[in-house]
Amino acid sequence: EDQVTQSPEALRLQEGESSSLNCSYTVSGLRGLFWYRQDPGKGPEFLFTLYSAGEEKEKERLKATLTKKESFLHITAPKPEDSATYLCAVKPTSGTYKYIFGTGTRLKVLA
Amino acid sequence: DADVTQTPRNRITKTGKRIMLECSQTKGHDRMYWYRQDPGLGLRLIYYSFDVKDINKGEISDGYSVSRQAQAKFSLSLESAIPNQTALYFCATSDTRTGAETQYFGPGTRLLVL
Repeated sequence: EDQVTQSPEALRLQEGESSSLNCSYTVSGLRGLFWYRQDPGKGPEFLFTLYSAGEEKEKERLKATLTKKESFLHITAPKPEDSATYLCAVKPTSGTYKYIFGTGTRLKVLA
Repeated sequence: DADVTQTPRNRITKTGKRIMLECSQTKGHDRMYWYRQDPGLGLRLIYYSFDVKDINKGEISDGYSVSRQAQAKFSLSLESAIPNQTALYFCATSDTRTGAETQYFGPGTRLLVL
């Protein structure tokens, strides 16, 4: 069964304290893995698409990496404005419409 | 201007009323989706549409219907609203011409059914 698991469920960091969020996935074939940021009551904001193992993408303080079984979202020297829920999703190669979402990691960065 | 817009942003209605949520996109994407989000349950797919003539049920379509009026417009209707349809509703789009078909989401509609 296709599945996405994110950990931890919640994370509290001090400003400047770097850390990583994990997204583990199980699919028969991966078409793409996606990271989103979601603020309370708002729509998921697209961050990154990763296609194949070994790929890395960066944007400001965020860096996403991908292996055959998991993806990491590394946050370097976070600021309070990075506080949000980070969602991971995968699109399997099988199933033309299907996207599988994790339940997210709630990140709180304290000043 | 936002690429994916939703109206209304907030809606309060009563049990039994029919309501419509609307979604428009300027991204030129062919595929559109409706999701609902509930605390602790994540995003769940209600309906999806590959083009104007191709509409399909998702995992939780009971009590909902949709209309794809044009490539850029996709509406979600609750025929007779009930309290457990209280949720955040999101429209999303994707483009089959791109490799991974990244989804892009609208700002959401917060619906409260009394």
